[in-house]
Amino acid sequence: EPEVTQTPSHQVTQMGQEVILRCVPISNHLYFYWYRQILGQKVEFLVSFYNNEISEKSEIFDDQFSVERPDGSNFTLKIRSTKLEDSAMYFCASINRGETQYFGPGTRLLVL
Amino acid sequence: DQQVKQNSPSLSVQEGRISILNCDYTNSMFDYFLWYKKYPAEGPTFLISISSIKDKNEDGRFTVFLNKSAKHLSLHIVPSQPGDSAVYFCAASAARNTGNQFYFGTGTSLTVIP
Repeated sequence: EPEVTQTPSHQVTQMGQEVILRCVPISNHLYFYWYRQILGQKVEFLVSFYNNEISEKSEIFDDQFSVERPDGSNFTLKIRSTKLEDSAMYFCASINRGETQYFGPGTRLLVL
Repeated sequence: DQQVKQNSPSLSVQEGRISILNCDYTNSMFDYFLWYKKYPAEGPTFLISISSIKDKNEDGRFTVFLNKSAKHLSLHIVPSQPGDSAVYFCAASAARNTGNQFYFGTGTSLTVIP
């Protein structure tokens, strides 16, 4: 069964450093998403991406964040200058039109 | 702004009994609802969905009920099994065919006691 994959599974970084989280969505899916879940809190929407551009983003997704689909298979989330409060589990999801989102296993980001 | 609420952070049920997980929403534009199951250190896994044109959807041991007038949905698991122990999230979206964002509740941790 096709699945969404994410790398790395864990990332530890120093505050102020740049991180890139990678996702490979399901191949025939059209919409791509990033969510995050801070420990003990709800899953929060960050951004959705369709047709090579951002279609929707939340207040969390400020200028420190960017997304890219560089090569038709990978979907990346970049945080330019990480803050302590960026520590969270980051989930990528993909969807075909009108169907259920399928989530990756997540990347646990820890900012020290 | 919490558009999707799960007011019970945890629930314990005996094996074989029914588990009922509840979810309330505030946005009347939501027309598609899902339940996800999440184990520790894994991503959410889709369980069951319902669109606003229906009030019930059943898949094996899992049934989702939607009460649009009350803006309430519930997930029934019967009979509950120990492997059902996980965190359950409800999620909602408006205009499901356009890939809009899903709004998640805070989750209910279900423990099924053998």
